[in-house]
Amino acid sequence: LAKTTQPISMDSYEGQEVNITCSHNNIATNDYITWYQQFPSQGPRFIIQGYKTKVTNEVASLFIPADRKSSTLSLPRVSLSDTAVYYCLVGDSGDNAGNMLTFGGGTRLMVKP
Amino acid sequence: EAGVAQSPRYKIIEKRQSVAFWCNPISGHATLYWYQQILGQGPKLLIQFQNNGVVDDSQLPKDRFSAERLKGVDSTLKIQPAKLEDSAVYLCASSLGDRALETQYFGPGTRLLVL
Repeated sequence: LAKTTQPISMDSYEGQEVNITCSHNNIATNDYITWYQQFPSQGPRFIIQGYKTKVTNEVASLFIPADRKSSTLSLPRVSLSDTAVYYCLVGDSGDNAGNMLTFGGGTRLMVKP
Repeated sequence: EAGVAQSPRYKIIEKRQSVAFWCNPISGHATLYWYQQILGQGPKLLIQFQNNGVVDDSQLPKDRFSAERLKGVDSTLKIQPAKLEDSAVYLCASSLGDRALETQYFGPGTRLLVL
């Protein structure tokens, strides 16, 4: 199970693009990268998942370089409501989910007006 | 579709008392998870059910924690007796399958305070 490293916290201002990078140096060939978002007093919520290059949905983009040893979650034009903790997880598609969902401390994003 | 339901939302008990939490997963989801989230930390998996069978309970403190999922739908998590360090948010989640790529849907959690 690949270990992930993220910044503990980040600050941003409304309207800016925020990029949160996750390091996963020992990612395996079959591992996927998944990001969850957690608002205060709520459970985590799935944001995006990818294997390589770039994935985009209505909420965020996920950039994964060719060596896949890191990934970057990009939030375009953040608002105050994007203030949350963001978790990066790495796991094999064949893994039992319980093996994958080892949440670290996540990155606490604070968006200021 | 309805989300994962949990109750109660809040509970305050004294140490050595017992407490139980209830979870109703999304309809049709075969896999159910219980997590413990201590303030300032990420969620820690306590137990995972596939239908009504236990898949992973390696991090469940079995001397005081127990969980069941009768009939493969609802689940209860019990703590008996509670300790001060059990103060945390207990999150229930469900997914269609048990593979790592399955999206997990989390409930709002039960916030437990042990005095």
